[in-house]
Amino acid sequence: AQSVTQLDSHVSVSEGTPVLLRCNYSSSYSPSLFWYVQHPNKGLQLLLKYTSAATLVKGINGFEAEFKKSETSFHLTKPSAHMSDAAEYYCVVSSREYGNKLVFGAGTILRVKS
Amino acid sequence: DTAVSQTPKYLVTQMGNDKSIKCEQNLGHDTMYWYKQDSKKFLKIMFSYNNKELIINETVPNRFSPKSPDKAHLNLHINSLELGDSAVYFCASSPFGEYTEAFFGQGTRLTVV
Repeated sequence: AQSVTQLDSHVSVSEGTPVLLRCNYSSSYSPSLFWYVQHPNKGLQLLLKYTSAATLVKGINGFEAEFKKSETSFHLTKPSAHMSDAAEYYCVVSSREYGNKLVFGAGTILRVKS
Repeated sequence: DTAVSQTPKYLVTQMGNDKSIKCEQNLGHDTMYWYKQDSKKFLKIMFSYNNKELIINETVPNRFSPKSPDKAHLNLHINSLELGDSAVYFCASSPFGEYTEAFFGQGTRLTVV
């Protein structure tokens, strides 16, 4: 079974409108969940992480994500997109089931239109 | 003050050559990793070391050999390079234990011609 699924390969929004990047995970144990961002030709930067504390997690640059165990989801949101948010976003799961290594989703490319 | 640095950033080489990518972290982390990002941008772990000891070795051709001289360094040596090895290779580090995020280097874009 896929350990982490990003439901959209591409998302396009207009500047100033909300962003929603969807992620579902599977894990038999309590997972840790992360969102990373990769700007073109750059490395990966951690946006936020969930590690069994508060289910609503706030990250950098105005992003946040909510852990919903019943839906096995960890969707990333931002109220208002900025041009600089255009990048590729990765949802990542870590769990005892996966040897505590980071398992990456396939990525979602976010395009922001002016 | 780069936390995880890898060199070179770009590497173009011919098939059959042997090459190395170096990685260093100054975060004091115990665990280091190599990830491969393929042409479709999919990221997959290759190796993980904890305090110089190999703890994760995914299904990677044995032409790839990681070496960790100390816990701050994890180098990747690749023998007999093939066209399919072309990818971006990322080094990362993290504190040892559960639920820890990894800090990534800028990547090395390897092109085999």
